[in-house]
Amino acid sequence: QSVLTQRPSMSGAPGQRVTISCTGSSSNIGAGYDVHWYQQLPGTAPKLLMYGNSNRPSGVPDRFSGSKSGTSASLAITGLQAEDEADYYCQSYDSGLSGSIFGEGTKLTVL
Amino acid sequence: QITLKESGPTLVKPTQTLTLTCTFSGFSLSTSGMSVGWIRQPPGKALEWLALIYWNDDKRYRPSLKNRLTITKDSSKNQVVLTMTDMDPVDTATYYCAHSLGLRNYYFDYWGQGTLVTVSS
Repeated sequence: QSVLTQRPSMSGAPGQRVTISCTGSSSNIGAGYDVHWYQQLPGTAPKLLMYGNSNRPSGVPDRFSGSKSGTSASLAITGLQAEDEADYYCQSYDSGLSGSIFGEGTKLTVL
Repeated sequence: QITLKESGPTLVKPTQTLTLTCTFSGFSLSTSGMSVGWIRQPPGKALEWLALIYWNDDKRYRPSLKNRLTITKDSSKNQVVLTMTDMDPVDTATYYCAHSLGLRNYYFDYWGQGTLVTVSS
């Protein structure tokens, strides 16, 4: 079964750096497909946070950065702020699905 | 400016067919490279991709739901319609439509606000 694995929850204090990971397989991230990240604030629709592994859409602060290596990808947030408290999802293409796959999501709490 | 909005019933009974409409503006689904997808999210759970329709009318479905899903487009009306047959309480979720670009390395850059569909008798 095609799955993108994320830690269910993480936390950090204001000002700290946190890294959210996303682990896939040879049918998705490992096959060379790009990874994209979304931020979902409570009660709202997801918002594109990072595309093409490491590209920020206009308006996304440079505190957010993305990377990919092998079958995994990471989203780093530096200078953590209270407003960063949200659910974060990774997404990629999966050749087994012939379609898109989302990660299980990581709930980030700012202490 | 690209906007999308989902519409449809908020409550459906088990075994019924769900029909959701995504009305969009700011782009044409006749333009090469454009696509619209449907994604759902059960309460408290993760996002789940359902279907995608490309500008050339090519369609992709989540394999586990392929027999129940149909996605169509009406480019003249700027609408994409998703139908899901044989609804079950486990299909209770917020359903989103979203704009995307590209063939395989696509991402969803604009999302609708979502519509909560409850399946209950």
